[in-house]
Amino acid sequence: ETGVTQTPRHLVMGMTNKKSLKCEQHLGHNAMYWYKQSAKKPLELMFVYSLEERVENNSVPSRFSPECPNSSHLFLHLHTLQPEDSALYLCASSHLGAANTGELFFGEGSRLTVL
Amino acid sequence: DAKTTQPPSMDCAEGRAANLPCNHSTTSGNEYVYWYRQIHSQGPQYIIHGLKNNETNEMASLIITEDRKSSTLILPHATLRDTAVYYCIVSSHSGYALNFGKGTSLLVTP
Repeated sequence: ETGVTQTPRHLVMGMTNKKSLKCEQHLGHNAMYWYKQSAKKPLELMFVYSLEERVENNSVPSRFSPECPNSSHLFLHLHTLQPEDSALYLCASSHLGAANTGELFFGEGSRLTVL
Repeated sequence: DAKTTQPPSMDCAEGRAANLPCNHSTTSGNEYVYWYRQIHSQGPQYIIHGLKNNETNEMASLIITEDRKSSTLILPHATLRDTAVYYCIVSSHSGYALNFGKGTSLLVTP
């Protein structure tokens, strides 16, 4: 596989469920990102990981918990979500440091519906 | 990062050039202009970026004004598959991530 792969592509969960979104990149990048895109709204940056260390957390509620076990994998653990959390969750990766061109590579997204 | 202003929507006939404008009057000297597009319900796709010189690749051309306060993305021969939301973003390479605005919704018609 190449590029950035996200699973599952679609997820429906109740407000009391615990689920996780997974992202995997095969591009040798050293930074990974979670973005949220609600209906008819711009993309919102949620978290940034650089070399497996979280470097940015844009005031995201604690019911979203990211995990970056290595430079190729990124998870978003979901717990006690609200219906307004229903959105498209996008993962991206890039080079940082000397190889940084500012180009982000996105996955296809995970469409989350919270009932 | 500098703020950008784009028209909310544009139409273009298939086969014609699509010229998408972007104003970024507060751009500083080390900030690049990036263009991405997002086809419905897919992840955004990188198109092109530049600093002060015009750039061209297999997808598009980027024209940046000499004062760097505005730019234009040109799709030379638009196809129906170019229908998407196009985002103009200004950012320095020192930043961790790109902040997307509302973009321009381009509709290519037959």
